[in-house]
Amino acid sequence: DVQLVESGGGLVQPWGSLRLSCEVSGFSLTSYTISWVRQAPGKGLEWVAGIVASGGPTYYADSVKGRFIISRDNSKDTVYLQMNSLRPEDTALYFCGTPPLGYCSGGSCPDYWGQGTPVTVSS
Amino acid sequence: DIQMTQSPSSLSASVGDRVTITCRASETIRKYLNWYQKKPGKAPKLLISGASSLQSEVPTRFSGSGSGTDFTLTISSLQPEDFATYYCQESYSAQYTFGQGTNLEIK
Repeated sequence: DVQLVESGGGLVQPWGSLRLSCEVSGFSLTSYTISWVRQAPGKGLEWVAGIVASGGPTYYADSVKGRFIISRDNSKDTVYLQMNSLRPEDTALYFCGTPPLGYCSGGSCPDYWGQGTPVTVSS
Repeated sequence: DIQMTQSPSSLSASVGDRVTITCRASETIRKYLNWYQKKPGKAPKLLISGASSLQSEVPTRFSGSGSGTDFTLTISSLQPEDFATYYCQESYSAQYTFGQGTNLEIK
C-alpha cells in the first residue's frame, strides 16, 4: 500500500523554524513529484512547495519563497520542508502529496496524500 | 500570477440534484486544471485532471469540462457522500494556485 506520513509539526514562536518530514512507502520517491499543501484554520487549500521526481527543480508559492526550502532524501524515502522565519499566517495543517504539477490526464494521475501535520505559529 | 475564482462560494442542494461549479482563471491555462474534493479531517482527493479526465475509481456522476479560462465541475446526481468542499487548481504556472473553494451543503 502507498503511504505518506507527515511529521514534525508543532507550536513555534514567530520568526522561529521548523522542519516537516514526509516519509513515503509503497512506491519509490523518485517516481513522483511531491508537494506540500496547507490549509489554515477555516480557510481553503494553498499549494506551498513542490519538488520534481527527478530531484531537480523546486517550486515555491510566493508567500513562502525565500523562507521555506523543500528537499528530498531518496535513501530515506523522505521529503522535507524546512520552514524558517515563520509567521502567524503560516499556521495551518500541512499535507504532503502528489498533486499533478503540469499537465496530467487519462484518469491515472498519482493522487497520494498523508493525513497532515499541524503547525501553529504563536507567541 | 494566475488567479483562480470559483463560483458559487457555497451551495445548498439536495440528494439527487444536478450541481455545477464554475472555475475561472485570470489568464489562459489551456487544460491544466484539476478538481479536488476535500472533507474535514481528510486529505484532498483528486477527482478530475486535465480539465476533463475522470480519475479512475471516481464515480461517473462527476464530470469536468472547459479549456482556456473557463471550467466547470458537474455532479449529475448528488449522493450523500458528495457533500464536501470542492477546489479547482491550475497546474499551468509555477504557483499551482487553488480556487477559494465551493462548500457544497445539504439543503
